[in-house]
Amino acid sequence: EDQVTQSPEALRLQEGESSSLNCSYTVSGLRGLFWYRQDPGKGPEFLFTLYSAGEEKEKERLKATLTKKESFLHITAPKPEDSATYLCAVYTGANSKLTFGKGITLSVRP
Amino acid sequence: GAGVSQSPRYKVAKRGQDVALRCDPISGHVSLFWYQQALGQGPEFLTYFQNEAQLDKSGLPSDRFFAERPEGSVSTLKIQRTQQEDSAVYLCASSLSWRSSYNSPLHFGNGTRLTVT
Repeated sequence: EDQVTQSPEALRLQEGESSSLNCSYTVSGLRGLFWYRQDPGKGPEFLFTLYSAGEEKEKERLKATLTKKESFLHITAPKPEDSATYLCAVYTGANSKLTFGKGITLSVRP
Repeated sequence: GAGVSQSPRYKVAKRGQDVALRCDPISGHVSLFWYQQALGQGPEFLTYFQNEAQLDKSGLPSDRFFAERPEGSVSTLKIQRTQQEDSAVYLCASSLSWRSSYNSPLHFGNGTRLTVT
């Protein structure tokens, strides 16, 4: 069974304090790893898809990287508006679903 | 353009009542998914449609859960004889065509929060 583990569960940063969020996965044949952002009371908002080890993608202060066992979401000089829950999910193609982790709740203090 | 729209936003049901949750996907999106999100958890897959065909319903937790998409656009998730453990946020997501290309990401609605009392 596909497993996705995100750590830490919660992270509090000072504005400008860079850090990384971890997503470890155990699957049989990764076809895609997805990062989503979720604000309270809202649905997940798509950020990135990564397909193969070594791949990196960037968007503003966020950079996602992928290895054969885990993915990192690096946040550079975060701002309070980056506060949200960050979800990662894997897709193997064995069926139609994405398997999500529990998410990491990020709080950025001004 | 308009995103995925779900209604109602909140639903309170007494234990044993039936509920129906509606999803309007993004126009032109062929693929539609339902996910269930419990408090403090990630979304969990319920079911998947490609046009009007329900191709995967392996995530539906019991035969009290039923989903349909009769004309290939709007979808309804129905829960019969609701139980307290059904309390969760139900998320709908659509994609241009997940089956042919999972490069097309899922776009989620804001969900329906169901509370069973």
